[in-house]
Amino acid sequence: DTGVSQNPRHKITKRGQNVTFRCDPISEHNRLYWYRQTLGQGPEFLTYFQNEAQLEKSRLLSDRFSAERPKGSFSTLEIQRTEQGDSAMYLCASSLESEQFFGPGTRLTVL
Amino acid sequence: GIQVEQSPPDLILQEGANSTLRCNFSDSVNNLQWFHQNPWGQLINLFYIPSGTKQNGRLSATTVATERYSLLYISSSQTTDSGVYFCAGVKYGNKLVFGAGTILRVKS
Repeated sequence: DTGVSQNPRHKITKRGQNVTFRCDPISEHNRLYWYRQTLGQGPEFLTYFQNEAQLEKSRLLSDRFSAERPKGSFSTLEIQRTEQGDSAMYLCASSLESEQFFGPGTRLTVL
Repeated sequence: GIQVEQSPPDLILQEGANSTLRCNFSDSVNNLQWFHQNPWGQLINLFYIPSGTKQNGRLSATTVATERYSLLYISSSQTTDSGVYFCAGVKYGNKLVFGAGTILRVKS
């Protein structure tokens, strides 16, 4: 039973570029979540999918952010026109019921 | 939304010592989890404990849902226990709300 996987693990980009991250949940988990964690803080919720439907979005998810889960399996998180304030760890989690399991994260650095 | 307060913010222990970490919630929660974040940033599940007491080796946790707090006990601490410990709860929908964490350093 493999855990949640995320790619890439690290991403360095220049301000203004677009980036896309991928999350593969634990197989058979129908719920998928994205969180963002900045240095010294706990993770903050961004968005939630049940199967392919995006059911919940945080106000943190500005218009430059878009998340998809087209076939109810893997998910992508795209950030357009990156800003230095987007530098953070982006965490994906999945669950079958209530308990959420997290992936290793993608660390984004915007120069 | 709910507020999650963790204490202490920092803790330094000598190897072999015991410790108690606390998590207070501003409102009742439906789901409560404890995590250990390793040096590479991954959140490792310790306990899913909306109420009651659970034990796993040297770790145990107790949640008193009616009083909106949870405790994580670490006994006979080891240097590998070092890291950041987070509690998180769900009040509405499915989003986990995290505390700011407790940074634990275990010295040999």
